[in-house]
Amino acid sequence: EIVLTQSPATLSLSPGERATLSCRASQSVNSYLAWYQQKPGQAPRLLIYDASNRATGIPARFSGSGSGTDFTLTVSSLEPEDFAVYYCQQRSNWPLTFGGGTKVEIK
Amino acid sequence: QVQLVESGGGVVQPGGSLRLSCAASGFTFSSYSMHWVRQAPGRGLEWVAIILYDGSSKNYADSVKGRFTISRDNSKNTLSLHMNSLRAEDTAVYYCARGCSSGGCHSPFDYWGQGTLVTVSS
Repeated sequence: EIVLTQSPATLSLSPGERATLSCRASQSVNSYLAWYQQKPGQAPRLLIYDASNRATGIPARFSGSGSGTDFTLTVSSLEPEDFAVYYCQQRSNWPLTFGGGTKVEIK
Repeated sequence: QVQLVESGGGVVQPGGSLRLSCAASGFTFSSYSMHWVRQAPGRGLEWVAIILYDGSSKNYADSVKGRFTISRDNSKNTLSLHMNSLRAEDTAVYYCARGCSSGGCHSPFDYWGQGTLVTVSS
């Protein structure tokens, strides 16, 4: 099973600041890495698929990069609605696995 | 618009059974693989199972293999998850999510239902 390790666990930032979230895989997942945003009481929302492709309707301030084992989700300038938990997920190998999440909170 | 609506959650005793359903609309259901993903209270996401668009292949997380069965009825645009031998650790919100299409894998997990809560407790 591929283990995805997200860091940091919590990121305390102010609106307008840049957020950089990391996801590291225990073995290569090529580019089959997705990022999701989840707010309390809501289903996850797909942000980025295949490492760097924004899903439909996702603002340009969200960007993804990386390949192999190291990936990054960047939010260029945090909006109030961006404070949430973010998960990465790989679909390179079965079983599909998710990272433990990074909570982006208001500082 | 694409909609996925789960139902069937509730409280069940350890060792009991439950069947979850996911009603799909707004897209060609028979052209997409479908997934179940769960989230225990206050915890992260855990992938549970997948079924191919035509039902020809299925795969499960080790934690549910042999106890859960995923199925679909393309004539009714419905996805199901039959859960047997339920344990306390199966307590979670269960989400259905759209996967890859038969024509290619473009942005899987782009649509999710709102989830249905399963509580396993005596």
